[in-house]
Amino acid sequence: GQNIDQPTEMTATEGAIVQINCTYQTSGFNGLFWYQQHAGEAPTFLSYNVLDGLEEKGRFSSFLSRSKGYSYLLLKELQMKDSASYLCAVRDNNAGNMLTFGGGTRLMVKP
Amino acid sequence: DSGVTQTPKHLITATGQRVTLRCSPRSGDLSVYWYQQSLDQGLQFLIQYYNGEERAKGNILERFSAQQFPDLHSELNLSSLELGDSALYFCASSVGQGGAGQPQHFGDGTRLSIL
Repeated sequence: GQNIDQPTEMTATEGAIVQINCTYQTSGFNGLFWYQQHAGEAPTFLSYNVLDGLEEKGRFSSFLSRSKGYSYLLLKELQMKDSASYLCAVRDNNAGNMLTFGGGTRLMVKP
Repeated sequence: DSGVTQTPKHLITATGQRVTLRCSPRSGDLSVYWYQQSLDQGLQFLIQYYNGEERAKGNILERFSAQQFPDLHSELNLSSLELGDSALYFCASSVGQGGAGQPQHFGDGTRLSIL
């Protein structure tokens, strides 16, 4: 099976930078996704990593270290609308490439 | 707007009943995935269909079943409903079978409440 761990909640200030960590254990790692989900709404795709390193997309960046089973999502220049849950999901090619989601990190951005 | 359409948005029913949730994938997407999200469980994968065939199965109860039709829309059937089945049910779609960097695009979900 898979084990995915993320902090449950984080708080940050508008304009600041926040890093949301995700650690995972899986037998057939085949990619890691980050999704944003506002309360009661659909998860929306943010980023994808399959090789080690940093992927940058505007204010959002995602990093992966396969040897450490570790990823983080970095959000810069935080805005109030960034208050949401951030879901880390791992794909396992020993499980039909299905995605297993972590419990999500609820981020609250304060003025 | 992800392009994935789910109906109905809300469903209220009683224990023991049966309901059907419907999903239309994004145009061109061949895979459909169903997820359950409850407050204490997070987003749980139920089942995937690719071009009409079952592709992968997660922790889907025997009381639940799904199918994908020739026009690629999918239905999730939930029977003998219990209070614990109250949750948000999401459908997602992707272009292929879920390999490489293909993200899944989620619909707005169906909120199921069992009274």
